[in-house]
Amino acid sequence: DQQVKQNSPSLSVQEGRISILNCDYTNSMFDYFLWYKKYPAEGPTFLISISSIKDKNEDGRFTVFLNKSAKHLSLHIVPSQPGDSAVYFCAASFGNEKLTFGTGTRLTIIP
Amino acid sequence: KAGVTQTPRYLIKTRGQQVTLSCSPISGHRSVSWYQQTPGQGLQFLFEYFSETQRNKGNFPGRFSGRQFSNSRSEMNVSTLELGDSALYLCASSLSTGSPSNEQFFGPGTRLTVL
Repeated sequence: DQQVKQNSPSLSVQEGRISILNCDYTNSMFDYFLWYKKYPAEGPTFLISISSIKDKNEDGRFTVFLNKSAKHLSLHIVPSQPGDSAVYFCAASFGNEKLTFGTGTRLTIIP
Repeated sequence: KAGVTQTPRYLIKTRGQQVTLSCSPISGHRSVSWYQQTPGQGLQFLFEYFSETQRNKGNFPGRFSGRQFSNSRSEMNVSTLELGDSALYLCASSLSTGSPSNEQFFGPGTRLTVL
């Protein structure tokens, strides 16, 4: 049972445009959400997080939005750059439980 | 500061064999978590160790086991390998445990292929 879902396995975006990556979850107890970025042959690196008490968190070009009623979060990257091409994983947890990851979305930025 | 290191980086085994993977966390980090990454499944949590004790465990069969040493280095073992165990095994370390805001730093992974 996939509690965290990333329904788009891949996404292509023109350089300079906005990239929007989506993530849905089913467990209403999740209260902390994270995004990780992974390049080939490297481990995932932490990108940005958001607590369920917020609906938006911003860090430079990266913004995460959380819609608790829809059990949906999204990552916005503006403007998209070639170095953003990677696989993006969303993850969720509650309390001090383990992270539950989504299946990932491969983002390709087209120059 | 050195990152998380994992050895070996690549491994080929045959069905029925057993394998041991190693992870050295960032100096000072006491929590080590292991994940299995397969296409279409994302990262599946295997287990977490903190101060040599298994703190959390995912839904994997008993063929998957791990341990942590006093220097925080960790090993995971898979016995009686199956074709479906072919995956990228990732190790992540963090300073502490008990909160998802403790940032996890991942190693590059060990690519295991079972023939």
